[in-house]
Amino acid sequence: EAGVAQSPRYKIIEKRQSVAFWCNPISGHATLYWYQQILGQGPKLLIQFQNNGVVDDSQLPKDRFSAERLKGVDSTLKIQPAKLEDSAVYLCASRRLGRHEQYFGPGTRLTVT
Amino acid sequence: GIQVEQSPPDLILQEGANSTLRCNFSDSVNNLQWFHQNPWGQLINLFYIPSGTKQNGRLSATTVATERYSLLYISSSQTTDSGVYFCAVLLSGSARQLTFGSGTQLTVLP
Repeated sequence: EAGVAQSPRYKIIEKRQSVAFWCNPISGHATLYWYQQILGQGPKLLIQFQNNGVVDDSQLPKDRFSAERLKGVDSTLKIQPAKLEDSAVYLCASRRLGRHEQYFGPGTRLTVT
Repeated sequence: GIQVEQSPPDLILQEGANSTLRCNFSDSVNNLQWFHQNPWGQLINLFYIPSGTKQNGRLSATTVATERYSLLYISSSQTTDSGVYFCAVLLSGSARQLTFGSGTQLTVLP
């Protein structure tokens, strides 16, 4: 089966600009996650969806970050406006209901200058 | 929240050597996964192992849930094994998110 797809793979923007990332999970995976991974650290969960509903967004900086999964499949993560400290890799993962394993996409490496 | 500690933080091996990576966690878990993050940043699932022992080729893992640790064994290491190895856990009960350790950076020299 195809893996989790993400785009773009790389993005460079200036601070205060906006940026959006896209994720397409593995077919049939109802649960989708967005993680932020800062250099030298493990990934940190930003938001979790089940189908098109938000399960956990407690660690999402809602003043500048937003995410949606309108049709319960693809998802977008937006940052508006970006700050220097948002420079990181943004990882999308998906999981099939009833299973524990999460599968990760290749990530989007964001550099904010 | 749950604490996940990995050791060692860095490991340098000669090709062909064996190694053991450790993950300690501070609470009961119902999900533990080992991942390999390759130099291009892709996180690759190695094992889902909340308890017991599993083997896949040169890799094997053991989790002793009652003592709150997991071990990842790499035998006959190859240069392609280089990268960061992460342990991630999900708390038993109502917690929904995987908590990652800080990783072990493995470098295998030719």
